[in-house]
Amino acid sequence: NAGVMQNPRHLVRRRGQEARLRCSPMKGHSHVYWYRQLPEEGLKFMVYLQKENIIDESGMPKERFSAEFPKEGPSILRIQQVVRGDSAAYFCASSPLMETQYFGPGTRLTVL
Amino acid sequence: GQQVMQIPQYQHVQEGEDFTTYCNSSTTLSNIQWYKQRPGGHPVFLIQLVKSGEVKKQKRLTFQFGEAKKNSSLHITATQTTDVGTYFCAGEKAGANSKLTFGKGITLSVRP
Repeated sequence: NAGVMQNPRHLVRRRGQEARLRCSPMKGHSHVYWYRQLPEEGLKFMVYLQKENIIDESGMPKERFSAEFPKEGPSILRIQQVVRGDSAAYFCASSPLMETQYFGPGTRLTVL
Repeated sequence: GQQVMQIPQYQHVQEGEDFTTYCNSSTTLSNIQWYKQRPGGHPVFLIQLVKSGEVKKQKRLTFQFGEAKKNSSLHITATQTTDVGTYFCAGEKAGANSKLTFGKGITLSVRP
């Protein structure tokens, strides 16, 4: 059973470009969570999704950030018009029904 | 909002010494989870505690959930260099839609 997959593992963008981060949950997991981790910081919750639904987006910045988890395909975290402050590691986690979260390897985003 | 605190952020021990760290929540939790993240890696689930006063052991690691379900401890007996990493606690508030609030973590270094 493959674990949570995230791609790309490393992403470099220039200011103003768009970043798309993908997350494929573990097989059988219908809950996906996105977290952001800054250097020397803990994990900051961003958004919680189930298939086709956003359950909790209280941690998402109001502008430029969006997330989706379509019926088919991976969950996508999209950052429009990236700024240097968006540079961070973005982790996705998945779980079966409201249980332990299993983390993917993360996407390290660098904004030049 | 809910806060989960881990202090200090760094601790250095000599190999073979015991190590204990604490996690405190500003609110009562339905459960608490502990994760370990190696440098450059992603968080890996260690344990979940649900019951008041619960104690669980994993080899040299002992986890405890406080009676009031607002704090937790992690104790490592006779540390080894393989214990190096950042240990995060994460609390789930009752009725919080499975949203985890992470502490900032404690980074443990072990001198051989």
